[in-house]
Amino acid sequence: AQSVTQLDSHVSVSEGTPVLLRCNYSSSYSPSLFWYVQHPNKGLQLLLKYTSAATLVKGINGFEAEFKKSETSFHLTKPSAHMSDAAEYFCVVITTGGSYIPTFGRGTSLIVHP
Amino acid sequence: KAGVTQTPRYLIKTRGQQVTLSCSPISGHRSVSWYQQTPGQGLQFLFEYFSETQRNKGNFPGRFSGRQFSNSRSEMNVSTLELGDSALYLCASSLVGAFSYNEQFFGPGTRLTVL
Repeated sequence: AQSVTQLDSHVSVSEGTPVLLRCNYSSSYSPSLFWYVQHPNKGLQLLLKYTSAATLVKGINGFEAEFKKSETSFHLTKPSAHMSDAAEYFCVVITTGGSYIPTFGRGTSLIVHP
Repeated sequence: KAGVTQTPRYLIKTRGQQVTLSCSPISGHRSVSWYQQTPGQGLQFLFEYFSETQRNKGNFPGRFSGRQFSNSRSEMNVSTLELGDSALYLCASSLVGAFSYNEQFFGPGTRLTVL
């Protein structure tokens, strides 16, 4: 079985300050983990993915995430927020060796203040 | 190169009716997946098609069905619509593999409202 919990439904930051979006997962096997972003009225876009290679994963637009097995976490960070980062972010887990059916977190809405 | 397109973008139906949604994947992509997004349940996987065969299926009732054509275009059908089927239905395509191996490219979605 697999599950994913995004610990914050909303995160509010000021432009230029760091971003931290938290994600914890549960998986019976080795997980693959993803972060997707959804801008209003648009489809989801892949930010980055972890598939058992390097634990620190760099993605697009300056985002990165660190896979921590001991903490079952995959938090998304960015050093400096930009107004265009305001969107909904989803953490996704898939259990490799399982059914390859993705489980999505409930999403975190990132609000960026000028 | 053109992205994933979904038609129609908006749809209003009444309870008991059926609906068909269409998805055209990126050229060359052979895998198409469908998702339902609602405020209450979030994003949930419906099913995935690859080379005209359903490869994975989420936990949805049999009223939800789909198919894929030889050109990889896919349709999703919902019969006997219920109020709870009101949602944004997202389609995503990828080159060949399952979710783990290939980036999925999402369409803008079809907003279905059931009255």
